[in-house]
Amino acid sequence: KQEVTQIPAALSVPEGENLVLNCSFTDSAIYNLQWFRQDPGKGLTSLLLIQSSQREQTSGRLNASLDKSSGRSTLYIAASQPGDSATYLCAVPNQAGTALIFGKGTTLSVSS
Amino acid sequence: EADIYQTPRYLVIGTGKKITLECSQTMGHDKMYWYQQDPGMELHLIHYSYGVNSTEKGDLSSESTVSRIRTEHFPLTLESARPSHTSQYLCASSDIGLSYEQYFGPGTRLTVT
Repeated sequence: KQEVTQIPAALSVPEGENLVLNCSFTDSAIYNLQWFRQDPGKGLTSLLLIQSSQREQTSGRLNASLDKSSGRSTLYIAASQPGDSATYLCAVPNQAGTALIFGKGTTLSVSS
Repeated sequence: EADIYQTPRYLVIGTGKKITLECSQTMGHDKMYWYQQDPGMELHLIHYSYGVNSTEKGDLSSESTVSRIRTEHFPLTLESARPSHTSQYLCASSDIGLSYEQYFGPGTRLTVT
């Protein structure tokens, strides 16, 4: 059964720092991996989708990498800003493709 | 930005009431999903649909029911709300296929007193 783990659970950094969020999954037979952002009490905003054939995806200050063989993905945030404060979730489809399996997320706090 | 809508955004209701959480999307997606998220916990799938008249239960057992009469609409109903149903409910949609991105609505935060 696929399990997704995210570390650290929480992270506090000063504005301007570059940071890395980690995601690991137990079953490497994935179709894709998706990173989301969730603000308190809100829905999920899709940040990046990496297909299984890709190694990385970039969007602005965000860069996500995928290493299927080791069951890991990282989300790199460059030059962090207070507006980046949120919970970041990673998710992979289950084997049947009927749902996403989510990690518990990393709650990021960026201070000015 | 994804065009997927949920109403109400917040709902406080007494035990025993029947409630329907609405979800609509304007992207023409065939697949739609309902996830439940308790505070500080992971999202878990409770229902999904591959298209009109198709509904299936997800990994997490739920007393709710869903219907899919129109492609764009996927409402969730609780016949008799209980305090244990207090949670955030998130609706999502995607194209058919295994590699398509899921788009989420803003969620409904339900509190049953």
